[in-house]
Amino acid sequence: QKEVEQDPGPLSVPEGAIVSLNCTYSNSAFQYFMWYRQYSRKGPELLMYTYSSGNKEDGRFTAQVDKSSKYISLFIRDSQPSDSATYLCAMSARSNYQLIWGAGTKLIIKP
Amino acid sequence: DTGVSQNPRHKITKRGQNVTFRCDPISEHNRLYWYRQTLGQGPEFLTYFQNEAQLEKSRLLSDRFSAERPKGSFSTLEIQRTEQGDSAMYLCASSFGVRTGELFFGEGSRLTVL
Repeated sequence: QKEVEQDPGPLSVPEGAIVSLNCTYSNSAFQYFMWYRQYSRKGPELLMYTYSSGNKEDGRFTAQVDKSSKYISLFIRDSQPSDSATYLCAMSARSNYQLIWGAGTKLIIKP
Repeated sequence: DTGVSQNPRHKITKRGQNVTFRCDPISEHNRLYWYRQTLGQGPEFLTYFQNEAQLEKSRLLSDRFSAERPKGSFSTLEIQRTEQGDSAMYLCASSFGVRTGELFFGEGSRLTVL
Protein backbone atom coordinates (compact mmCIF):
# COMPACT_ATOMS: atom_id res chain seq x y z
CA GLN A 1 0.00 0.00 0.00
CA LYS A 2 1.32 3.44 -0.93
CA GLU A 3 1.81 6.03 1.81
CA VAL A 4 -0.31 8.52 -0.13
CA GLU A 5 -3.27 7.48 -2.25
CA GLN A 6 -4.90 9.68 -4.86
CA ASP A 7 -7.55 8.78 -7.42
CA PRO A 8 -5.94 9.24 -10.88
CA GLY A 9 -9.20 10.27 -12.56
CA PRO A 10 -9.81 11.73 -15.00
CA LEU A 11 -12.44 13.81 -13.26
CA SER A 12 -14.58 15.69 -15.79
CA VAL A 13 -16.95 18.44 -14.64
CA PRO A 14 -18.78 21.34 -16.35
CA GLU A 15 -17.48 24.88 -16.10
CA GLY A 16 -18.67 26.63 -12.96
CA ALA A 17 -18.99 23.46 -10.88
CA ILE A 18 -17.40 22.98 -7.47
CA VAL A 19 -14.58 20.46 -7.67
CA SER A 20 -13.42 18.26 -4.82
CA LEU A 21 -10.04 16.54 -5.03
CA ASN A 22 -8.83 14.21 -2.29
CA CYS A 23 -5.88 12.31 -0.92
CA THR A 24 -5.66 9.74 1.84
CA TYR A 25 -2.51 8.84 3.70
CA SER A 26 -1.32 6.25 6.17
CA ASN A 27 1.49 7.96 8.10
CA SER A 28 0.05 9.79 11.12
CA ALA A 29 3.32 11.73 11.46
CA PHE A 30 2.55 13.88 8.40
CA GLN A 31 2.00 17.49 9.45
CA TYR A 32 2.72 19.55 6.32
CA PHE A 33 0.33 19.24 3.40
CA MET A 34 0.60 20.74 -0.06
CA TRP A 35 -1.36 20.84 -3.29
CA TYR A 36 0.45 21.35 -6.57
CA ARG A 37 -1.06 21.94 -10.02
CA GLN A 38 0.70 20.55 -13.08
CA TYR A 39 -0.22 21.45 -16.63
CA SER A 40 0.68 19.02 -19.39
CA ARG A 41 4.44 18.89 -20.07
CA LYS A 42 5.16 21.52 -17.40
CA GLY A 43 6.61 21.38 -13.90
CA PRO A 44 4.33 21.35 -10.83
CA GLU A 45 3.28 24.70 -9.33
CA LEU A 46 2.48 25.13 -5.64
CA LEU A 47 -1.17 26.06 -5.01
CA MET A 48 -1.74 25.57 -1.30
CA TYR A 49 0.47 24.95 1.75
CA THR A 50 -1.06 23.98 5.08
CA TYR A 51 0.24 22.90 8.44
CA SER A 52 -1.62 20.45 10.67
CA SER A 53 -5.42 20.32 10.62
CA GLY A 54 -7.97 22.87 9.50
CA ASN A 55 -8.93 24.87 6.45
CA LYS A 56 -7.06 27.40 4.35
CA GLU A 57 -8.63 29.53 1.65
CA ASP A 58 -6.99 31.38 -1.24
CA GLY A 59 -9.34 32.87 -3.81
CA ARG A 60 -11.33 30.08 -5.44
CA PHE A 61 -9.24 27.39 -3.73
CA THR A 62 -9.78 25.87 -0.28
CA ALA A 63 -7.53 23.26 1.27
CA GLN A 64 -8.86 21.11 4.08
CA VAL A 65 -6.94 18.73 6.34
CA ASP A 66 -8.55 16.12 8.58
CA LYS A 67 -5.73 14.44 10.45
CA SER A 68 -8.07 12.21 12.46
CA SER A 69 -9.23 10.61 9.21
CA LYS A 70 -5.87 10.97 7.46
CA TYR A 71 -7.64 12.75 4.61
CA ILE A 72 -6.95 16.00 2.78
CA SER A 73 -9.06 17.80 0.22
CA LEU A 74 -8.76 20.63 -2.28
CA PHE A 75 -11.95 22.42 -3.30
CA ILE A 76 -12.14 24.61 -6.40
CA ARG A 77 -15.12 26.96 -6.66
CA ASP A 78 -16.44 28.37 -9.93
CA SER A 79 -14.18 26.05 -11.91
CA GLN A 80 -12.77 27.35 -15.19
CA PRO A 81 -11.42 25.54 -18.27
CA SER A 82 -8.00 26.94 -17.31
CA ASP A 83 -8.18 24.81 -14.14
CA SER A 84 -7.86 21.70 -16.32
CA ALA A 85 -4.62 20.11 -15.14
CA THR A 86 -3.27 17.35 -12.94
CA TYR A 87 -3.47 18.07 -9.21
CA LEU A 88 -0.83 16.47 -7.00
CA CYS A 89 -0.94 16.28 -3.23
CA ALA A 90 2.31 16.13 -1.26
CA MET A 91 3.08 15.87 2.42
CA SER A 92 5.90 15.57 4.92
CA ALA A 93 6.36 14.73 8.57
CA ARG A 94 8.57 17.65 9.54
CA SER A 95 10.08 20.72 8.03
CA ASN A 96 13.14 19.79 5.96
CA TYR A 97 11.88 16.26 5.48
CA GLN A 98 11.39 14.94 1.99
CA LEU A 99 7.96 15.18 0.42
CA ILE A 100 5.82 12.13 -0.21
CA TRP A 101 3.72 12.64 -3.34
CA GLY A 102 0.41 11.32 -4.56
CA ALA A 103 0.20 10.13 -8.16
CA GLY A 104 -2.03 13.05 -9.16
CA THR A 105 -5.65 13.46 -10.28
CA LYS A 106 -6.31 14.65 -13.82
CA LEU A 107 -9.07 17.27 -13.85
CA ILE A 108 -10.98 18.30 -16.98
CA ILE A 109 -13.28 21.33 -16.91
CA LYS A 110 -15.69 21.29 -19.86
CA PRO A 111 -16.72 24.71 -21.27
CA ASP B 1 12.30 37.50 -11.55
CA THR B 2 13.28 34.52 -13.66
CA GLY B 3 12.10 31.12 -12.58
CA VAL B 4 13.92 27.82 -12.53
CA SER B 5 15.45 27.09 -15.92
CA GLN B 6 16.22 23.61 -17.25
CA ASN B 7 18.10 22.57 -20.37
CA PRO B 8 17.69 20.82 -22.67
CA ARG B 9 13.91 20.57 -22.64
CA HIS B 10 13.95 17.32 -24.56
CA LYS B 11 16.75 14.84 -25.17
CA ILE B 12 16.54 11.74 -27.35
CA THR B 13 19.42 9.32 -27.00
CA LYS B 14 20.34 5.76 -27.76
CA ARG B 15 20.69 3.18 -25.03
CA GLY B 16 24.18 3.17 -23.57
CA GLN B 17 24.91 6.84 -24.20
CA ASN B 18 25.55 9.40 -21.47
CA VAL B 19 23.32 12.44 -21.01
CA THR B 20 23.61 15.57 -18.90
CA PHE B 21 20.89 17.96 -17.80
CA ARG B 22 21.43 21.44 -16.42
CA CYS B 23 19.34 23.36 -13.90
CA ASP B 24 19.60 27.05 -13.06
CA PRO B 25 17.61 27.72 -9.88
CA ILE B 26 16.09 30.99 -8.73
CA SER B 27 19.14 33.03 -7.78
CA GLU B 28 18.48 33.57 -4.08
CA HIS B 29 17.43 29.96 -3.44
CA ASN B 30 19.95 27.88 -1.52
CA ARG B 31 18.21 24.50 -1.87
CA LEU B 32 18.06 22.57 -5.11
CA TYR B 33 16.26 19.28 -5.78
CA TRP B 34 16.18 16.78 -8.62
CA TYR B 35 13.10 14.66 -9.18
CA ARG B 36 12.09 12.13 -11.82
CA GLN B 37 8.51 11.79 -13.01
CA THR B 38 6.94 9.17 -15.26
CA LEU B 39 3.50 9.33 -16.84
CA GLY B 40 0.69 9.06 -14.34
CA GLN B 41 2.99 9.23 -11.32
CA GLY B 42 4.00 11.89 -8.85
CA PRO B 43 7.58 13.19 -8.76
CA GLU B 44 10.14 10.73 -7.37
CA PHE B 45 12.90 12.27 -5.27
CA LEU B 46 16.44 11.76 -6.60
CA THR B 47 18.74 14.10 -4.70
CA TYR B 48 18.96 17.38 -2.80
CA PHE B 49 21.61 20.10 -2.37
CA GLN B 50 21.91 22.85 0.17
CA ASN B 51 24.28 25.34 -1.39
CA GLU B 52 27.05 23.17 -2.91
CA ALA B 53 26.64 20.26 -0.48
CA GLN B 54 24.72 17.20 -1.63
CA LEU B 55 22.83 16.35 1.56
CA GLU B 56 20.63 13.51 0.49
CA LYS B 57 20.43 10.98 -2.31
CA SER B 58 17.66 8.48 -2.89
CA ARG B 59 18.58 4.92 -1.95
CA LEU B 60 16.80 3.83 -5.12
CA LEU B 61 19.14 5.90 -7.27
CA SER B 62 21.47 3.85 -9.42
CA ASP B 63 25.18 4.67 -9.34
CA ARG B 64 24.83 5.56 -13.02
CA PHE B 65 23.24 8.81 -11.81
CA SER B 66 25.40 11.63 -10.47
CA ALA B 67 24.61 15.22 -9.65
CA GLU B 68 26.77 18.22 -8.90
CA ARG B 69 26.27 21.80 -7.81
CA PRO B 70 29.85 23.07 -7.92
CA LYS B 71 29.47 26.65 -6.73
CA GLY B 72 26.10 26.49 -5.08
CA SER B 73 24.43 27.97 -8.14
CA PHE B 74 23.52 25.83 -11.17
CA SER B 75 23.40 22.04 -10.99
CA THR B 76 23.96 19.21 -13.45
CA LEU B 77 22.48 15.72 -13.44
CA GLU B 78 24.37 13.13 -15.46
CA ILE B 79 23.07 9.70 -16.40
CA GLN B 80 25.71 7.29 -17.65
CA ARG B 81 25.03 4.25 -19.85
CA THR B 82 21.38 5.13 -20.26
CA GLU B 83 18.73 2.41 -20.25
CA GLN B 84 15.21 2.49 -21.66
CA GLY B 85 13.87 2.57 -18.11
CA ASP B 86 15.54 5.95 -17.64
CA SER B 87 13.02 7.53 -20.02
CA ALA B 88 11.16 10.08 -17.91
CA MET B 89 10.76 13.76 -17.15
CA TYR B 90 13.60 15.06 -14.98
CA LEU B 91 12.45 17.95 -12.84
CA CYS B 92 14.58 20.45 -10.98
CA ALA B 93 13.18 22.52 -8.12
CA SER B 94 14.61 25.15 -5.81
CA SER B 95 13.56 26.64 -2.50
CA PHE B 96 14.64 29.03 0.20
CA GLY B 97 13.75 29.01 3.87
CA VAL B 98 12.34 26.45 6.21
CA ARG B 99 9.10 25.61 4.41
CA THR B 100 10.29 22.37 2.90
CA GLY B 101 7.26 21.83 0.71
CA GLU B 102 7.41 25.23 -0.97
CA LEU B 103 9.26 24.17 -4.09
CA PHE B 104 9.59 26.10 -7.33
CA PHE B 105 9.87 23.74 -10.27
CA GLY B 106 11.36 24.19 -13.69
CA GLU B 107 9.58 22.97 -16.80
CA GLY B 108 11.56 19.77 -16.82
CA SER B 109 13.87 17.92 -19.19
CA ARG B 110 12.23 15.04 -20.99
CA LEU B 111 14.52 12.08 -21.71
CA THR B 112 13.69 9.48 -24.32
CA VAL B 113 16.03 6.49 -24.51
CA LEU B 114 15.67 4.45 -27.70
